[in-house]
Amino acid sequence: DVKVTQSSRYLVKRTGEKVFLECVQDMDHENMFWYRQDPGLGLRLIYFSYDVKMKEKGDIPEGYSVSREKKERFSLILESASTNQTSMYLCASSLIQGARGYTFGSGTRLTVV
Amino acid sequence: AQSVTQLDSHVSVSEGTPVLLRCNYSSSYSPSLFWYVQHPNKGLQLLLKYTSAATLVKGINGFEAEFKKSETSFHLTKPSAHMSDAAEYFCAVSGVGTASKLTFGTGTRLQVTL
Repeated sequence: DVKVTQSSRYLVKRTGEKVFLECVQDMDHENMFWYRQDPGLGLRLIYFSYDVKMKEKGDIPEGYSVSREKKERFSLILESASTNQTSMYLCASSLIQGARGYTFGSGTRLTVV
Repeated sequence: AQSVTQLDSHVSVSEGTPVLLRCNYSSSYSPSLFWYVQHPNKGLQLLLKYTSAATLVKGINGFEAEFKKSETSFHLTKPSAHMSDAAEYFCAVSGVGTASKLTFGTGTRLQVTL
């Protein structure tokens, strides 16, 4: 019973390409998040959204944008991929009050060459 | 602003011995605290959470954590390690306001040896 689905498990893209990472949740959660995970740095928040068409920058938004046209879908966009964006990307969702914690997707490992 | 510090990047234990993964937090209000586990090539799974109810919180797979306000700690323990516990563990603290964002620690990799 998959609840947060990330469209790609592994992705290889070239420098300068525009990259779309897709995330869909089926729990009717209001909040959705994009994190990147790097060894020794833990998870760092890129962007989050608390409602359709609403978005806020996280801690490391540079080089990224997001789109949330429907409640269940939250897309992360790399406008012009660079090698320093090679990372594991994790999508998560939660209820409006996050005290119940997040539900995470399985992650997308992106390699930019 | 809130933050968490995981005091060990790697912990190694023998199977059947106790596990202790340490987490200290910083928060200007009463925090909600979480422990997540990540097995290789998987997403994060919620182990347990503290949300201002009982200070000793029991989670899945025999893990538990104790909230100690005086020590600003939320350490994760398990009486007896199993090989399947080998994974990376993340402590996190929840903010307030819009979306109640979680701030994660840098993770502790648990190795379990025979």
